[in-house]
Amino acid sequence: DIVMTQTPLSLSVTPGQPASISCKSSQSLLHSDGKTYLYWYLQKPGQSPQLLIYEVSNRFSGVPDRFSGSGSGTDFTLKISRVEAEDVGVYYCMQSIQLPITFGQGTRLEIK
Amino acid sequence: EVQLVQSGAEVKKPGESLKISCKGSGYSFTSYWIGWVRQMPGKGLEWMGIIYPGDSDTRYSPSFQGQVTISADKSISTAYLQWSSLKASDTAMYYCARLATLGGWFDPWGQGTLVTVSS
Repeated sequence: DIVMTQTPLSLSVTPGQPASISCKSSQSLLHSDGKTYLYWYLQKPGQSPQLLIYEVSNRFSGVPDRFSGSGSGTDFTLKISRVEAEDVGVYYCMQSIQLPITFGQGTRLEIK
Repeated sequence: EVQLVQSGAEVKKPGESLKISCKGSGYSFTSYWIGWVRQMPGKGLEWMGIIYPGDSDTRYSPSFQGQVTISADKSISTAYLQWSSLKASDTAMYYCARLATLGGWFDPWGQGTLVTVSS
């Protein structure tokens, strides 16, 4: 199985400040088709997870442009340029290049 | 609007059987995979398995193989997750989610079904 490791596991950020979450995979997520199958989700309190970023760096429909994703191979980063109160929740990375699909442990973002 | 609507919360006793459902609407149900994801209380997301309703191709996580059964009835656009003998450790929120292709992403997600197993 591909192990997804996120750091940090929790983050406390002042509104308007940036935030960054790292996700490392135990194997490369670059497929022979040229795509990298790394995704980011946010689970807001009491809600189902929602897709933020697909294939490393593509913002999903309706996701604010303060969210950005980067990385390649086995090292990936989700950045929030200016955290807002509505960004509170748990962020997960996920890989689907290989079954079983695996998620990172989650990073809890709280507002200071 | 593409939507997945899950069945309601369940309270069961250890040893009982259970089948929960996930009904898709707003898209061609037979053209997308449906996955199931477990979230134990206060914990992270765990992928359980997926099914392609078009031909019932089903893949399980090794962690859940033999513990649950995933099925689908394409005539009513509904996927199922079932247990034959529940354990207290099955207490969790269970989400279904649509997967466009193997290698793709989950979207949308159902609202979740809370399963509580307690004597």
